[in-house]
Amino acid sequence: QVQLVQSGAEVKRPGASVKVSCRASGYTFINYGIGWVRQAPGQGLEWMGWINTYNTNTNYAQKVQGRVTMTTDTSTSTAYMELRSLRSDDTAVYYCARGLLRVQGSHPYYYYYAMDVWGQGTTVTVSS
Amino acid sequence: DIQMTQSPSSLSASVGDRVTITCQASQDISNYLNWYQQKPGKAPKLLIYNASNLGTGVPSRFSGNGSGTDFTFTVSSLQPEDIATYYCQQYDKVPPLMFTFGPGTKVDIK
Repeated sequence: QVQLVQSGAEVKRPGASVKVSCRASGYTFINYGIGWVRQAPGQGLEWMGWINTYNTNTNYAQKVQGRVTMTTDTSTSTAYMELRSLRSDDTAVYYCARGLLRVQGSHPYYYYYAMDVWGQGTTVTVSS
Repeated sequence: DIQMTQSPSSLSASVGDRVTITCQASQDISNYLNWYQQKPGKAPKLLIYNASNLGTGVPSRFSGNGSGTDFTFTVSSLQPEDIATYYCQQYDKVPPLMFTFGPGTKVDIK
């Protein structure tokens, strides 16, 4: 069945980096994007960005731009999200999700319109 | 940036009740609007995409409507397993292809 399996919980010090993995199975990896969403304790959902698994193009939310890098390894159908210079307000559950794409006739020639399969979430705690 | 609001922020209803949640966008987003369900301690689940299309395997008691700036999400007959927080989410077709979530509506059983 289609699923995304994420890496385990992390505890980091302020200023450190964290890299979360998301392994896909049950579908053709490069036919869909991977998005990342986080949820701080007791809060709502916050979109962090996309990676196009076919051409590795990325789109990041302004709030994390400059601190986040999203990558993929197509040989293992795995996506990664690295967040640097961690702060206490980065404490959250981080989710990866499969992005449904639609082609359009103008730049950027595609867009994502939904996240239809989600990973189980990875808890990242930033604490001194 | 487009801002999303939802109302109410929480509600209590009885099993079998019809429940409606509204979502409003700060500008016209056509039908670029999805609804997700998140149960406590679980990942979100896509219920409705493009304002009114039912996701794969989603029960028909869930429905969505609207376009432009005003949208509604309805559960026609609330079931105990529908206890969850529901989020609307809009998407952009231009870079950075942003997704913006509403603040959520928590639904529980009276």
